[in-house]
Amino acid sequence: DIQLTQSPSFLSASVGDRVTITCRASQDIDTYVAWYQQRPGKAPQLLIFAASTLQFGVPSRFGGSGSGTEFTLTISSLQPEDFATYYCQQLYTYSFAFGPGTRVDF
Amino acid sequence: QVQLVESGGGVVQPGMSLTLSCVVSRLTFSSHGMHWVRQAPGKGLEWVAVIWYDGNYEHYADSVKGRFTISRDNAKKTLFLQMNSLRVEDTAVYYCAAGPSRPRPRVEVAKFDYWGLGTLVSVSS
Repeated sequence: DIQLTQSPSFLSASVGDRVTITCRASQDIDTYVAWYQQRPGKAPQLLIFAASTLQFGVPSRFGGSGSGTEFTLTISSLQPEDFATYYCQQLYTYSFAFGPGTRVDF
Repeated sequence: QVQLVESGGGVVQPGMSLTLSCVVSRLTFSSHGMHWVRQAPGKGLEWVAVIWYDGNYEHYADSVKGRFTISRDNAKKTLFLQMNSLRVEDTAVYYCAAGPSRPRPRVEVAKFDYWGLGTLVSVSS
């Protein structure tokens, strides 16, 4: 099974900061990665798919990159509503596994 | 606006059964693979199961294989999760989500783009 790791697991940041989260896969997964944001008590929301494609309606301050085994989610200028937990997910195999998450907080 | 609404959660004892439902509206349900994803209290997301758009194939996480059954009724735009032999470790919020039927799909559908609000299943003696 493909394993995903995320770093850091926790990130302390301020409004206006540039934030980068890394997701690493245990084997090559091409660009079959999606990123989700989850606010407390809410369902996950899709941000990025196919590693770098911004989902319709998602602000352009979110960006994704990478291929193979290493992927990044970048928030160019953190906004108050961006304080949340972020998950990567692989869609390369039937486990559709998620990473352990990165919590972005003050 | 697309809506997915789960129901059927509750408190049950270990070993008992429960069936979750997810009613979908304003989505071409029969064109989408459908998934269940769960989240234990304070933990991350765990993928549980997928059923193909036509209901002809299912796949499960090892943690639920042999105990859970995913099914769908395309005419009623409803997804189900039959959960048997429930364990304490199955306690979680269960989300239904629309996504691809298979891994490595066409790029434009390689995503879980619609999610329900979730329903809480609590397994406790």
